[in-house]
Amino acid sequence: EAQVTQNPRYLITVTGKKLTVTCSQNMNHEYMSWYRQDPGLGLRQIYYSMNVEVTDKGDVPEGYKVSRKEKRNFPLILESPSPNQTSLYFCASRQGTGGHSGANVLTFGAGSRLTVL
Amino acid sequence: AQSVAQPEDQVNVAEGNPLTVKCTYSVSGNPYLFWYVQYPNRGLQFLLKYITGDNLVKGSYGFEAEFNKSQTSFHLKKPSALVSDSALYFCAVRAPTGGGNKLTFGTGTQLKVEL
Repeated sequence: EAQVTQNPRYLITVTGKKLTVTCSQNMNHEYMSWYRQDPGLGLRQIYYSMNVEVTDKGDVPEGYKVSRKEKRNFPLILESPSPNQTSLYFCASRQGTGGHSGANVLTFGAGSRLTVL
Repeated sequence: AQSVAQPEDQVNVAEGNPLTVKCTYSVSGNPYLFWYVQYPNRGLQFLLKYITGDNLVKGSYGFEAEFNKSQTSFHLKKPSALVSDSALYFCAVRAPTGGGNKLTFGTGTQLKVEL
């Protein structure tokens, strides 16, 4: 089954304790992206990647890091989490990065709910 | 900068009645427009998209949306609502080129369908 898999689905942690949310897709997609969802704010893009070793900032990148060493994986790293990073996080991927690939549909993971105390 | 507005936080409708979830957008050039739905504890699922061509787009689960360029709108509609349609709906817009093909989402509209 074609899918985007995120782990963990739920996590409660404390301020300053580094954590990584993993994301893996099995569709050989070039483009991957991380979003956070907050009430009243919708989904906001954190980082995106056009291909292996190519990443760029989205709208709200502060406090986050990403890497894209393999095509299928795009982990989100919180080096020193703070309470304002408590949120619901989604990883997504789609095929293609050039031309009119923007017309392609994003496939989303099931989400990771993070609470930082 | 591109943006999406969903003016209603919540829409209530009785089962069997038609439903409309509103969306307006702002983008340079001809837009790519999308609707996604989110059920509780699930990721976003694609419903439909407008790229070019016919202004009326049909999608999954009986939903459709009409692209109106003059009003910069892309309202989601369904002729007869079901209780199972109750979910959070997101409109999204993307400029056709540049900017990493960034997809900008609206704030979401909670649809509640009651018996």
